[in-house]
Amino acid sequence: SYELTQPPSVSVSPGQTARITCSGDALPKQYGYWYQQKSGQAPLLLIYKDTERPSGIPERFSGSNSGTKVTLTISGVQAEDEADYYCQSADSSGTYPAVFGGGTKLTVL
Amino acid sequence: QVTLRESGPALVKPTQTVTLTCTFSGFSLSTNAMCVSWIRQPPGKALEWLALIDWEDDKYYSTSQKTRLTISKDTSKNQVVLTMTNMDPVDTATYSCARSVRDSGGAYYFDYWGQGTLVTVSS
Repeated sequence: SYELTQPPSVSVSPGQTARITCSGDALPKQYGYWYQQKSGQAPLLLIYKDTERPSGIPERFSGSNSGTKVTLTISGVQAEDEADYYCQSADSSGTYPAVFGGGTKLTVL
Repeated sequence: QVTLRESGPALVKPTQTVTLTCTFSGFSLSTNAMCVSWIRQPPGKALEWLALIDWEDDKYYSTSQKTRLTISKDTSKNQVVLTMTNMDPVDTATYSCARSVRDSGGAYYFDYWGQGTLVTVSS
């Protein structure tokens, strides 16, 4: 199977920068995607194709790709950003066209 | 405006087959590049992609669940149906459908989601 690895939790104070990483062997060849899921809500697409933001997503959310790792950066974290964050991608062979990471709980202190 | 809504039984017994329906609007599955996926999330756990159907009626399944899943579409009704056989308590989860987009690398991602429907498997 193909796996994407995220830290289970990240904590930051309001106004600070949060970085959530996601590691996977195919990430040099595949785009990474990020979703935000607040309690009781459906996931929301935050970042697509490593760095692109859908319309309506605040500029404080950004993404980057550095080889086998993609990173979601939240600048100037706000209390409302407390949520679970999931990365998603695929393997390089097409066997696994959609795979999610295990999720990261962001706590705003 | 793109919307998706899932429907199906809230409670099923072990070994039964469950049929879930995704009814969507704001796009058509007969349009080039349109796809719909099913994704599930057990309580307190991570998201798991299950299956996808595209505008050409091509179907893709999670390797771990493929023997139990069937996905189909009714373009005239704007619906996608997922059946899952031999349900077990570990299959208790919120089942969601999502509009899916294929990128240049062959990966799919999900730009619009339904709210999901909780399916509990218990005798």
